[in-house]
Amino acid sequence: QVQLQESGPGLVKPSGTLSLTCAVSGGSISSSNWWSWVRQPPGKGLEWIGEIYHSGITNYNPSLKSRVTISVDKSKNQFSLKLNSVTAADTAVYFCARDGEVQGDFDYWGQGTLVTVSS
Amino acid sequence: EIVLTQSPGTLSLSPGERATLSCRASQSVSSSYLAWYQQKPGQAPRLLIYGASSRATGIPDRFSGSGSGTDFTLTISRLEPEDFAVFYCQQYGSSPWTFGQGTKVEIK
Repeated sequence: QVQLQESGPGLVKPSGTLSLTCAVSGGSISSSNWWSWVRQPPGKGLEWIGEIYHSGITNYNPSLKSRVTISVDKSKNQFSLKLNSVTAADTAVYFCARDGEVQGDFDYWGQGTLVTVSS
Repeated sequence: EIVLTQSPGTLSLSPGERATLSCRASQSVSSSYLAWYQQKPGQAPRLLIYGASSRATGIPDRFSGSGSGTDFTLTISRLEPEDFAVFYCQQYGSSPWTFGQGTKVEIK
């Protein structure tokens, strides 16, 4: 059973950089799956941020592409998200997820971590 | 990007009733790459349906999906108490992957 666990600071200052890591257990990040980040502002809907393949190939949402970097660390079986120049609008629960057999649907999710942007 | 519009916004039903949720896409979804998720408060979404009509592992057969092109439907044949939640459709036929705004199924 694949499990994903997000970790990182819960509070980030405006104009700073949000950094999160997703640890994968029960499966290899070098499998044939892509790995994604999805966020959800409080009380609102879901927004896909981007995804990475174990080779390092990335695919980003154009709405965030200029501020996002997703990377993978195969030695630690984890992948990471960096979002720079954050504002209050980036306050959200951030989920990591595994894409299913077809790139783009999400069959396993982390429990999510709330990141608040505030001074 | 493909915009998904879900209706209704809220569905008020009693346990045992049938729920029909709609998801309409702004353009055709390639290869019927349309998924449905259930989300309960404080939890991550759970994949219910992928490929418009295939149930994910462990999903009860009271959940079914149908549709193609721009119109998709999630049906819950008989609502169980644990089914009341928010449901999202999502397309993955064309990047960026996008979600609908959600339909809340609440107890009447």
